[in-house]
Order: sequence, then C-alpha cells, then structure tokens
Amino acid sequence: DVKVTQSSRYLVKRTGEKVFLECVQDMDHENMFWYRQDPGLGLRLIYFSYDVKMKEKGDIPEGYSVSREKKERFSLILESASTNQTSMYLCASSSGPAVAFFGQGTRLTVV
Amino acid sequence: GENVEQHPSTLSVQEGDSAVIKCTYSDSASNYFPWYKQELGKGPQLIIDIRSNVGEKKDQRIAVTLNKTAKHFSLHITETQPEDSAVYFCAARYNQGGKLIFGQGTELSVKP
Repeated sequence: DVKVTQSSRYLVKRTGEKVFLECVQDMDHENMFWYRQDPGLGLRLIYFSYDVKMKEKGDIPEGYSVSREKKERFSLILESASTNQTSMYLCASSSGPAVAFFGQGTRLTVV
Repeated sequence: GENVEQHPSTLSVQEGDSAVIKCTYSDSASNYFPWYKQELGKGPQLIIDIRSNVGEKKDQRIAVTLNKTAKHFSLHITETQPEDSAVYFCAARYNQGGKLIFGQGTELSVKP
C-alpha cells in the first residue's frame, strides 16, 4: 500500500526556533512536495523536488527551506519560526506531476 | 496568474440527494484536473481525475465533467451518504513546472 509518512502529527514550537518537518515515502517516487493548508485558502505549494538534491520554489517559499538528500526523504525547514507559520503542513509524493499521494499532515503551532 | 476558484465553500445536503461542486481555472493550457477528499484528521486522498481530452468521467456515485471552453470543471456526487461528509478539493495541473494548483476547498455535510 502506498505510503507517505510525516514524522509528527502535532508540534508546538516557540517563535524563533528552527523547526524540521520530516517526510518519508516508500514508493520510490521522484517527485515530492510540501503544501501548507489554511482554512479558506486551500493547499498552497511551498517547495517541491523532482530529484535528489534538487528543489524548486512553490508559491509561498518565504521563511522556508527544504532538503532532499535521499530520494525517499524530503524535509521542510522553518529557519526561524513565526506565529504566522502556524498551520497544517502536508507532504505529498508522485511518480509524475499528475497524481499525488499525501501524508496525514503535521499541525504546527508556533507560540 | 495561475488560479483555481472553487464554490461553494460549504454545502449541506440530505442523505440521498445529489451534491455538485464547481471549479474554474485560469490557464487554458491546463490539462489535468484531479479531485481530492479529505476526511477529518487525514491527508487529502485522490478520488477521481479527468484529463483535458475527455469531457466526462464516472466512477460509481461520483462523476466529473469538464468544459474546456468555459474553463470550468465540476464534481457530482449522487445518492449521497453520511460517509461522503468531508472537505473536497479540486486542482488543476499547469504546464509550467507541472505543479498542481488547488481550489479553496468545499466542506460537504450529508445529513442522515
């Protein structure tokens, strides 16, 4: 069964902390994505990667960075967490840009 | 710029009735339109998709229609059941980078 696993379901961090959100997929997919989900705004693309060590900015990359050292793992990094980054974060993977399999999400609260 | 508008934001229907959710997209070059269902506490899950060379696609109680001229596509759920209650997202794939752009979501509530 297809699986995208995010390391945490819930996280609470303090303003200014460096935060790591981890995502692992077991489908040998080339493409991985990080989305942010906020009420009334749908899913917005933060960063994506089509290959190991490759990354592309999405629509809202400011305040975030990513790392893809291995094909199966895609990490989202909040360099200095702020309260406006409180949100649900969703990781996804696909073998082509057409279909995406999502993880269960990480609800991050920055206080 | 690239944009997908989804309506309504909330929809309440009686069990057994039909539900329709509509989306419009801005880029006429878009060629792939998936729909996702997100249940409480879970990530979105693909339920049906349609490519630009097809006008309609059905899978049991759900169907999607595409009007390329008007640049809109719709999700139709017939004989709704309480387990259909969820948030539904439409998306459009844009040629540039092949990324998906999502609509704002529709919270569907099916009352028994």
